[in-house]
Amino acid sequence: GAVVSQHPSWVICKSGTSVKIECRSLDFQATTMFWYRQFPKQSLMLMATSNEGSKATYEQGVEKDKFLINHASLTLSTLTVTSAHPEDSSFYICSARSLELGASEQFFGPGTRLTVL
Amino acid sequence: AQSVAQPEDQVNVAEGNPLTVKCTYSVSGNPYLFWYVQYPNRGLQFLLKYITGDNLVKGSYGFEAEFNKSQTSFHLKKPSALVSDSALYFCAVRAPWATDKLIFGTGTRLQVFP
Repeated sequence: GAVVSQHPSWVICKSGTSVKIECRSLDFQATTMFWYRQFPKQSLMLMATSNEGSKATYEQGVEKDKFLINHASLTLSTLTVTSAHPEDSSFYICSARSLELGASEQFFGPGTRLTVL
Repeated sequence: AQSVAQPEDQVNVAEGNPLTVKCTYSVSGNPYLFWYVQYPNRGLQFLLKYITGDNLVKGSYGFEAEFNKSQTSFHLKKPSALVSDSALYFCAVRAPWATDKLIFGTGTRLQVFP
């Protein structure tokens, strides 16, 4: 139980294009989803927190117009990297939290590697 | 402010030997503490957590961690390391009032040699 998937697992795009990454909770309802970014050999940095049906809360320094987050349902959140540039290349990981599974724990997706050429 | 420190970038241990991956934290109040493991190009897998209760927490794959309030530490341990334990380990902390935010340490790469 408590499985989170991400799609795609990797994506390569040209500079200037937009890329959408999906995060799904497969067997539970995710009241809150989180988006993290991980640079090579570094820790996870929280980008934003989203609750179903409301606007995402972005961490300081994260451009909300560049990283669009939509949490349209209790099982799906999307991160769209708009007008991607090479410096946006990174490993993006989502996680989900469910009140019914205990609010203390986050369940992580397998990550999406984005490479912007 | 909440913070987590993992003082070792890498830990090397021979297969069959005990392993320890260190973690110290700074948070007001009683913390929620977590250990996660990450394999290459994969997301994080939950190992164990401490919320309250016994200071020694047992988790997945034979790992355990000991919460030490006086030393503000939550070191990850395993009595006998396996080569397959080689991975990146992250310690994370959450303040009890901050239900939405996990703060991660910088990670420790564990290398188990046959």
